[in-house]
Amino acid sequence: AQKITQTQPGMFVQEKEAVTLDCTYDTSDQSYGLFWYKQPSSGEMIFLIYQGSYDEQNATEGRYSLNFQKARKSANLVISASQLGDSAMYFCAMRGIYNQGGKLIFGQGTELSVKP
Amino acid sequence: DTEVTQTPKHLVMGMTNKKSLKCEQHMGHRAMYWYKQKAKKPPELMFVYSYEKLSINESVPSRFSPECPNSSLLNLHLHALQPEDSALYLCASSQEGAIMETQYFGPGTRLLVL
Repeated sequence: AQKITQTQPGMFVQEKEAVTLDCTYDTSDQSYGLFWYKQPSSGEMIFLIYQGSYDEQNATEGRYSLNFQKARKSANLVISASQLGDSAMYFCAMRGIYNQGGKLIFGQGTELSVKP
Repeated sequence: DTEVTQTPKHLVMGMTNKKSLKCEQHMGHRAMYWYKQKAKKPPELMFVYSYEKLSINESVPSRFSPECPNSSLLNLHLHALQPEDSALYLCASSQEGAIMETQYFGPGTRLLVL
């Protein structure tokens, strides 16, 4: 079975500093996709970044980068130059070909608070 | 700005009421999803529609009834709900439902069942 683990229920970061949110995964699939979503208190799930299992380069999108270490089965999200608007819940998620019809599996989330 | 819209934003209903949640996407996607999310928890998949046909039902109670009138619209009909059904209901869409596709979510409907 596939599983996503986010071990940091809550984190604090100072404005303008970088922060790393941890995500490890477990799967027997060879082909899978890893996703990070941001959910502010308003409720909307905002897609941030995607990494495919066969992608050799780490994904980057603006201030977001994904530190993908396939052998360690980790897909950590790095946010550079944190902003107050980055305060939110962050979910790591995965989809695999043989997993339950390609269901998106979420971790438990990390609540990030950015301090001024 | 999200291209998946959901109405209403908030809904309060009694256990004997019938109501519907609506979702619309303007991205030409052919796969649409309903998720239920409790506070401080990850979303849980309820239903998946692919090319307007129901492809996944995650053993959801029959008091929740999905409908996909066309490829842009997704409804969730609610009847005889329980207080434990109070949650944030999220709609999402993706291009065709393939594994590596990104799902894009709407802003959600916050449902309170009294």
